[in-house]
Amino acid sequence: IVMTQSPATLSVSPGERATLSCRASQSVSSHLAWYQHKPGQAPRLLIFDASIRATGIPVRFSGSGSGTEFTLTISSQQSEDFAVYYCHQYDHWPPTFGQGSKVDI
Amino acid sequence: VQILESGGGLVKPGGSLRLSCSASGFTFSNYAMSWVRLAPGTGLEWVSTVSGSGANTYSADFARDRFTISRDNPTNTLYLQMSSLRAEDTALYYCARTVAVAATPFDSWGPGTLVSVSS
Repeated sequence: IVMTQSPATLSVSPGERATLSCRASQSVSSHLAWYQHKPGQAPRLLIFDASIRATGIPVRFSGSGSGTEFTLTISSQQSEDFAVYYCHQYDHWPPTFGQGSKVDI
Repeated sequence: VQILESGGGLVKPGGSLRLSCSASGFTFSNYAMSWVRLAPGTGLEWVSTVSGSGANTYSADFARDRFTISRDNPTNTLYLQMSSLRAEDTALYYCARTVAVAATPFDSWGPGTLVSVSS
């Protein structure tokens, strides 16, 4: 399954909404996760099963979608949210990831 | 939960390297463990997964004949033995935890260890 993310780079100002998209080459049901990755750090699970926030994830992060189209929304961008975001499907074997979307200032 | 990779470094094409991943803060044998890599200019790429008991292993096509995943549950350690390394294997290698071998997200990761393959 090929996962395609858009845009490759999104420039936002603190306080603005950020919306990232992820498209699967075939249906992955709701078996989709989003990760946040900052340079030199471990990737962090944000969302699983398309819309469920992982433990400790702020409510400004939300996920939606099913089938082939998914969205990650950051309702009000904070300084600590500037990072690369990856989607990941775990409905089909092998697991696959998108190429990432970088959110910068 | 703490996960920490080690063992990365500079190796010549055709060479070998063994990565280690030390885990703590959870019952290691209850979780499948995986290696995922991030090569320059690309996205994340799944490499290999081993079941909680260590009895079952799974690898990406590019890794199947060259990389071996294993684990030692008494010491809470995951390994990736890599051989016949190529320039395209240059990447950050991450150790990640999943509740099951398949159909689950990677819920905890380490900060990665860098493997550079170059003459």
